[in-house]
Amino acid sequence: SQQGEEDPQALSIQEGENATMNCSYKTSINNLQWYRQNSGRGLVHLILIRSNEREKHSGRLRVTLDTSKKSSSLLITASRAADTASYFCAIEAAGNKLTFGGGTRVLVKP
Amino acid sequence: GAVVSQHPSWVICKSGTSVKIECRSLDFQATTMFWYRQFPKQSLMLMATSNEGSKATYEQGVEKDKFLINHASLTLSTLTVTSAHPEDSSFYICSASGLGYEQYFGPGTRLTVT
Repeated sequence: SQQGEEDPQALSIQEGENATMNCSYKTSINNLQWYRQNSGRGLVHLILIRSNEREKHSGRLRVTLDTSKKSSSLLITASRAADTASYFCAIEAAGNKLTFGGGTRVLVKP
Repeated sequence: GAVVSQHPSWVICKSGTSVKIECRSLDFQATTMFWYRQFPKQSLMLMATSNEGSKATYEQGVEKDKFLINHASLTLSTLTVTSAHPEDSSFYICSASGLGYEQYFGPGTRLTVT
């Protein structure tokens, strides 16, 4: 299966702490994307990292990609209660199709 | 940014009836639209890919006669769940992409079949 696997499945942290989640996959990819989903809502696109990129930043988000290990990580620094959500990685291999990982549920306690 | 809407946002229907969900790209032309299904606390699973004016391509295990997809224009795709059963209760999310290939996601439709 091409589906990404995310680790951990759930994460509980205090406001101000950093949150790190990982995504592993099995095939070659064009790019890897990270999304956020608040409970019962649609997806919010966070960041896209291409296969030839190793690291990308966007505000408090930092994404790394290691194609040799077929893995990516998402770091949220200085977390806020509003960061409470589920985070999904999605790999784009071919044909513009996205395959999503299982997700990490993040709870940021105030 | 590009905006995708879905209608309705939630729907309750009786077992055996059909339900239509609309996905619209509001400010761009979507050459491709995707339909996903998400069960509670699970990931999104791609159901089908539709290109404007052509038949949808369904993922393995998705019944094309049960989940009818129509992509009649560059701004509208519809998913019809035919003869719905309680196990079809789920969160259905569409996404749309234009020439740039980035997918823009709709807010989702929660279907409950009683």
